[in-house]
Amino acid sequence: DSGVTQTPKHLITATGQRVTLRCSPRSGDLSVYWYQQSLDQGLQFLIQYYNGEERAKGNILERFSAQQFPDLHSELNLSSLELGDSALYFCASSTRDRNTGELFFGEGSRLTVL
Amino acid sequence: KNQVEQSPQSLIILEGKNCTLQCNYTVSPFSNLRWYKQDTGRGPVSLTIMTFSENTKSNGRYTATLDADTKQSSLHITASQLSDSASYICVVSEVNYQLIWGAGTKLIIKP
Repeated sequence: DSGVTQTPKHLITATGQRVTLRCSPRSGDLSVYWYQQSLDQGLQFLIQYYNGEERAKGNILERFSAQQFPDLHSELNLSSLELGDSALYFCASSTRDRNTGELFFGEGSRLTVL
Repeated sequence: KNQVEQSPQSLIILEGKNCTLQCNYTVSPFSNLRWYKQDTGRGPVSLTIMTFSENTKSNGRYTATLDADTKQSSLHITASQLSDSASYICVVSEVNYQLIWGAGTKLIIKP
């Protein structure tokens, strides 16, 4: 158990809908990262927050947004969903900023868009 | 463009055998190189993190090596077990600390 909690574990929705994925980092970790992994593909970095502030952006679509709250949990919002958004979405946390420390990954949220 | 390439794409070995997975990268300079293990449908788990000055690092039956001159890393698994069946991912951190992820090697251990 990495200590990173992601909810929901599974989510099935329709095209055009909006969903919110939630991540609670390990106790004491200030950095939260979001990754997308499509079927049989590598991990794609989406976005990173450190202590409530956006730190780095990867290949995140404009339809996607995220935030980190004062209690350090983070939410990833996916809107106007398309079939191609079906994927595993992972959250990772770290004590440090800037990828200098070890990343601890949650078990992921599996999103299926029908 | 900075890249991380892993080989082989997939590998099948018998339980108890050793194997070596390769990682070649073009990221230069880099901050650190990591190996992760990802079970199917689960989150990646860190195996090793090496800075550019380290040549080898072990974690139980896993030993990672790094040659910064040739920009190559390898992950050696000794006495494989069925639970080693997973994808193994090489990740290189740029000096701006962005992580460049490899596509992974899918390892299958057969009894």
